[in-house]
Formats: sequence, structure tokens, C-alpha cells
Amino acid sequence: KQEVTQIPAALSVPEGENLVLNCSFTDSAIYNLQWFRQDPGKGLTSLLLIQSSQREQTSGRLNASLDKSSGRSTLYIAASQPGDSATYLCAVGLTGNQFYFGTGTSLTVIP
Amino acid sequence: NAGVTQTPKFQVLKTGQSMTLQCAQDMNHEYMSWYRQDPGMGLRLIHYSVGAGITDQGEVPNGYNVSRSTTEDFPLRLLSAAPSQTSVYFCASTGLAGDGYFGPGTRLLVL
Repeated sequence: KQEVTQIPAALSVPEGENLVLNCSFTDSAIYNLQWFRQDPGKGLTSLLLIQSSQREQTSGRLNASLDKSSGRSTLYIAASQPGDSATYLCAVGLTGNQFYFGTGTSLTVIP
Repeated sequence: NAGVTQTPKFQVLKTGQSMTLQCAQDMNHEYMSWYRQDPGMGLRLIHYSVGAGITDQGEVPNGYNVSRSTTEDFPLRLLSAAPSQTSVYFCASTGLAGDGYFGPGTRLLVL
């Protein structure tokens, strides 16, 4: 069974700092990996999707990398803002349908 | 394009009652799935469907039933609610690239 771990569980940084969120998974036979953002009491908003054949994806201040062989992905957030405060979830996709989720990293950006 | 919609947003049940959580998507996705989110455990797959008329069990299927009569709809039925089913339920559909689209969630409290 695929196990997905996210470290750290919580992170607090001052505004403007660059930061890295980590995701590791146990089975490298993945279809894709997707990073989501979840605000309190809300649903999941997709941030970045990396296919198994890709190494990274970028969107604005966000960059996600994937190293299948080592079972790791990182989400890099540049120049953090208070509006980035949320929980970030890593989801490993199998067969393009089933997702295995980590427990998330709760990010607080202090103005 | 409404994406994935879920109703109700919030529901309180008594132990033993039954109910149906509704889910619909307007993106013509074949793949749909249901997850539950519990504190400290991440999202876990309950049931999924690869197309109309085809469903299968996920990681935590006990106590839940699903059916898929149309591409658009994928309802989740709780047969006899138990306090252990208190959770937040998310419906998702998956695009051709394996990208997940999640609904806003249904918060269920079983007393």
C-alpha cells in the first residue's frame, strides 16, 4: 500500500521568506503527483500536477519537483505572502484515478 | 462550468439513520471517487467509479454504498449511520491527465 508522508506538519514563516514543503511516498510506481491547497473548512484547490515522466512544474511563485526514484516531491513557494496561509496536501495518483494523500503541512505566513 | 458539486454542505444524523450524499460533475469525466477526511489521517478513498455502471471499493468502504447510473452523478449512501462516520466527505472527478477536481465537501455529524 502506498504511504505518503508530509514534513513538516506545521510551518510558520515571516512574510517574504522562501520555503519548501516536502512529500515522500513509498511506492515509486506512480501515475502522477498533485499538490493541493486547502483553506479551513473548504475544499481542495489544485496547485500543480506533475506527471510521472516529468521532473517539475511551475505556476507563478510555485514550483513543484518530482524524483520518482527516491520517492520524493517538493513544493517551493517563493516570496511567501499572508494569503499563502493554508494547509498544503500532497496526493500521489495511481492509475490516474485513485489518490493517496499525505496528512498535509499547515502553513502560516506572518505579516 | 460548475465543476464538482456536492449536497448537502452540512448534515446531522442520528445513529442508525440513512442518507445519501449527492455528487455531480459537468466535465464529462469518466473517473469519479469519494473520500473522507478525518483529523490527522488525511483523505482516504471510500469508493470509486471508472464509468457509468462500474464501481469498486477503496480503502475504507464499509458502511457505504455507491452506484453510477450516469456519467454526471455519483451518490454515496450511508446505510445505517454510526458515530465513526462523522467526517468531512469529498467527491472528486479525474480528468484525462489524471488531474483531480474536488467538490467543496459535506460535513457530516452522527450523534
